[in-house]
Order: sequence, then C-alpha cells, then structure tokens
Amino acid sequence: NAGVTQTPKFQVLKTGQSMTLQCAQDMNHNSMYWYRQDPGMGLRLIYYSASEGTTDKGEVPNGYNVSRLNKREFSLRLESAAPSQTSVYFCASLPRGISFGQYFGPGTRLTVT
Amino acid sequence: GQQVMQIPQYQHVQEGEDFTTYCNSSTTLSNIQWYKQRPGGHPVFLIQLVKSGEVKKQKRLTFQFGEAKKNSSLHITATQTTDVGTYFCAGPGAYGNKLVFGAGTILRVKS
Repeated sequence: NAGVTQTPKFQVLKTGQSMTLQCAQDMNHNSMYWYRQDPGMGLRLIYYSASEGTTDKGEVPNGYNVSRLNKREFSLRLESAAPSQTSVYFCASLPRGISFGQYFGPGTRLTVT
Repeated sequence: GQQVMQIPQYQHVQEGEDFTTYCNSSTTLSNIQWYKQRPGGHPVFLIQLVKSGEVKKQKRLTFQFGEAKKNSSLHITATQTTDVGTYFCAGPGAYGNKLVFGAGTILRVKS
C-alpha cells in the first residue's frame, strides 16, 4: 500500500495563476481532508469529504475548491492564487470509525509570488 | 468556535532531560489525539485518549487525559535526538469526523 500520496511535492505559482493539488489514498477510507500548515498556526482544515460525492467547508475554505472524484481521490483547486496561499498543504484520510487517527500524505509545498 | 491551545510553543532540551507539552480545550472533548511531525515530514498519529483521567504509555511517552476532559499532556522521559519534531494535540470538531489541531510544540534536543 502506498497510503496517501500527493502531487506535486513542490510548486511555485505567480499571483493569479491556477492549479490543482492531487491526493489519492489506497486504503479504502471514506473520509478525506485538506489542511494547510503555516508556521505557528498548526494545521487548519480547508475542506473535508465524508464520502464520495460529498464535501464540506472547514475553517479556511476561501479561495479554494475541492472535488471528490471517487473514493480514492480528493483534489484541491486554487482558482486564482494569492501570496497568502503560500503554505504547506497536507491531504489526509480516515478509516471508518473514530478510534483511529488520520493518515497524512507527504505534503505539497506551495509558494505564490 | 472550539479552540485547542497548546503550550509551550517551543522547547529546547538537553538529551536525557524530560519534556512535557500541554493541551487545553475551551470545551469538553469526547476524545483527544496526539500526532508527531518530524522536521520536513508529515504528521503521524500517535495515540487517542477517550476516558476521563486516562493514562497511556508508549515506551518513554506518557499521555494523560484530564478528569474534566478539557486538557491533556504528553510527557517524554529522558529525551533522545529521535524525539525531535513538532507534537500536536487535536480534538473533535463541532460535527463530522473533523479535528481541531493545537498550534503544536516544537521540540529540539541538544546532544
């Protein structure tokens, strides 16, 4: 099992450009998450998907859109990147039941200039 | 909304010294989780505590959940260089399988 994979690992964008961050998991998990991590602020939830076909806003959804393409894949799109979106983005998934922790991908380091 | 506060923000210890990080919630938690993130890495789930007053151990790591289920701590005995990283606590969000993370405690170990 590859676990949770994310692409790309690094990306530099100019202000106003768009891009999609890809995430996939091969563990048959129902729930998937997108977080951003900024220094001193921990992990903040951007969007969440409880199951295929459903998505829900998290703490900081502005400027982002998501798509739960199927059970495996959950993508995050920046339509018009801004310097404030410079961050490290993590995708995570969760097995059924709340007795387990979330499994995180390796992250995407995004810089917007 | 729910907040999870974590202290200290940063701690630098000599190898062999003990280390403790504390987590406090503004509301009662049904459970609390702890994660470790190595420098340049991703968060990795360590443990979940559910019961009031619960204490769990993983080798040199001791996790406690407060009696009122509003606070928790992680204590590392005799730190090693492999303990370096950021330790996060996280509690359930208002609904759904969401988590609210603390800001984390960065641990540096001097050998």
